[in-house]
Amino acid sequence: KAGVTQTPRYLIKTRGQQVTLSCSPISGHRSVSWYQQTPGQGLQFLFEYFSETQRNKGNFPGRFSGRQFSNSRSEMNVSTLELGDSALYLCASSHLGGEQFFGPGTRLTVL
Amino acid sequence: QKEVEQNSGPLSVPEGAIASLNCTYSDRGSQSFFWYRQYSGKSPELIMSIYSNGDKEDGRFTAQLNKASQYVSLLIRDSQPSDSATYLCAVSASGNTDKLIFGTGTRLQVFP
Repeated sequence: KAGVTQTPRYLIKTRGQQVTLSCSPISGHRSVSWYQQTPGQGLQFLFEYFSETQRNKGNFPGRFSGRQFSNSRSEMNVSTLELGDSALYLCASSHLGGEQFFGPGTRLTVL
Repeated sequence: QKEVEQNSGPLSVPEGAIASLNCTYSDRGSQSFFWYRQYSGKSPELIMSIYSNGDKEDGRFTAQLNKASQYVSLLIRDSQPSDSATYLCAVSASGNTDKLIFGTGTRLQVFP
């Protein structure tokens, strides 16, 4: 069974731009969660989607948003990028309430 | 107080020894507990999940949970150099089993 896939794997943007990251979950998984990982803050929960609905949200500003499509694929968007948004963005998929399996991540660098 | 606490390490153990990794959490309502392994430059990989008090064994790995003490641990028997990585403890938020709170991780070094 194929794992979680994320695109793109690497991204370089400048301050003020916006970015969209994509995540395809493991087949059959309908829950998709997003996390941000930085050296200083570690892994932090962004939000979680199930059946196209955001069920949980972490403590991030409104510049961070996401959505989920009917095929369970998910995207997250960051608008008005700041230097501090440079991080590894990880997507994880699961059955509802089950074990979460991570994709390879998207490394975002904001210049 | 951080929600999930781990000693950052590094924890250095010789090959063949038992590595013991510990984690404490503050949310008494947490129901699900996970250990992930993360190699440098890679994404976290699920090693173990545990949901009830006691021990759970899977190969060389044993997870231990004590909800009364709000403590979860991971034992790695017969440690190998390939086990050298950062181990992340994750705890579900109470009422939100799909929201995981992560510790900052313990770096394990296994030397030959």
